[in-house]
Amino acid sequence: DVKVTQSSRYLVKRTGEKVFLECVQDMDHENMFWYRQDPGLGLRLIYFSYDVKMKEKGDIPEGYSVSREKKERFSLILESASTNQTSMYLCASRSPPAGANYGYTFGSGTRLTVV
Amino acid sequence: AQSVTQPDIHITVSEGASLELRCNYSYGATPYLFWYVQSPGQGLQLLLKYFSGDTLVQGIKGFEAEFKRSQSSFNLRKPSVHWSDAAEYFCAVGASGGYQKVTFGIGTKLQVIP
Repeated sequence: DVKVTQSSRYLVKRTGEKVFLECVQDMDHENMFWYRQDPGLGLRLIYFSYDVKMKEKGDIPEGYSVSREKKERFSLILESASTNQTSMYLCASRSPPAGANYGYTFGSGTRLTVV
Repeated sequence: AQSVTQPDIHITVSEGASLELRCNYSYGATPYLFWYVQSPGQGLQLLLKYFSGDTLVQGIKGFEAEFKRSQSSFNLRKPSVHWSDAAEYFCAVGASGGYQKVTFGIGTKLQVIP
């Protein structure tokens, strides 16, 4: 089974700090995604990457950046954390579109609190 | 633009009762459709998906969903709910391809009462 690992389950950071959220997948998938999840808003796409060093903005990229230096690792960066970035962050990896196994595998999430 | 509507934010059912969670989508072509479940504090787990073929799809944990093109719906069903099914359920629509995004609904939170 594909495994997607997010390095931290819970994080507390101060306003203005630079925050790194790490995500690693072990199935050589090209496509990786970062979502944030908020009550009543569902999952909103922040950024995604379809290959190493490639990235695309999602629906809510403001205040975030990403890094994909290696295929297995996709990092989300909060350049200067703010309280409105307090949220659950979910990383996902997507298998290739051909075949019956197409779909997303999610990590367990990082609950970030900015104080 | 593609979209997903889950009209029920919160549903309560008794253990042993049947369950149907509604999902309506908007998409320009034949969609890829998914249902995910999220237990408290966890990531999302895939329950089932529809790409093509038989419109009734079987998933894990005894769930099934039926694709109805005429109604733009992909409702999730289970004949007998167990207490362990209490979770949040997300419907999603998208397409294949490296540049295609999947859009998630806002979720339906299921409460199971004894």
